[in-house]
Amino acid sequence: GNSVTQMEGPVTLSEEAFLTINCTYTATGYPSLFWYVQYPGEGLQLLLKATKADDKGSNKGFEATYRKETTSFHLEKGSVQVSDSAVYFCALPPQGGSEKLVFGKGTKLTVNP
Amino acid sequence: NAGVTQTPKFQVLKTGQSMTLQCAQDMNHNSMYWYRQDPGMGLRLIYYSASEGTTDKGEVPNGYNVSRLNKREFSLRLESAAPSQTSVYFCASSRLGGFTDTQYFGPGTRLTVL
Repeated sequence: GNSVTQMEGPVTLSEEAFLTINCTYTATGYPSLFWYVQYPGEGLQLLLKATKADDKGSNKGFEATYRKETTSFHLEKGSVQVSDSAVYFCALPPQGGSEKLVFGKGTKLTVNP
Repeated sequence: NAGVTQTPKFQVLKTGQSMTLQCAQDMNHNSMYWYRQDPGMGLRLIYYSASEGTTDKGEVPNGYNVSRLNKREFSLRLESAAPSQTSVYFCASSRLGGFTDTQYFGPGTRLTVL
């Protein structure tokens, strides 16, 4: 089945620094790809998604481009804020047409003022 | 619109005790999911229900049972709790299914089994 590999954290940055969190996938075909975020003490929420190759998902200043050549979906933000401190999860369906998602292990980001 | 609600928020059990975690959604979603979250393991799917009346095993179903009571509610039962089931449990729902659709998560239940 499909799978994702996510860079291990934790990642610690200063405010206004550039952020990249790497995610690579192994998949049959071109499944939708997702980034979810979990703020402290909360459940996960969708941050952005891309439903086909070459799509770019964006939200709250974060971006990720679905790159089939490199099988990657890296999360980027140009200038992080303290409020971006959270755990970020890359995800995709385990196989085509599945109702389920498979999540990466998560990357914890801490942004210091 | 409360979204996905879970009860209880916290629970401590002794080994061998049973309990049911409750989940409800008010978004008229078809699919519902139970995950557990453990340090260094990410989220792992326990059971899911693609639609009312159906349930299927996920990645780590052993030691758990589920009931899709109606379209709104999806409960998770631990019949005989074990320390290995100490975890944070999340319920989620989606309108059509996770492969293209957003999953909406509840706030979680933190369970400790002594």
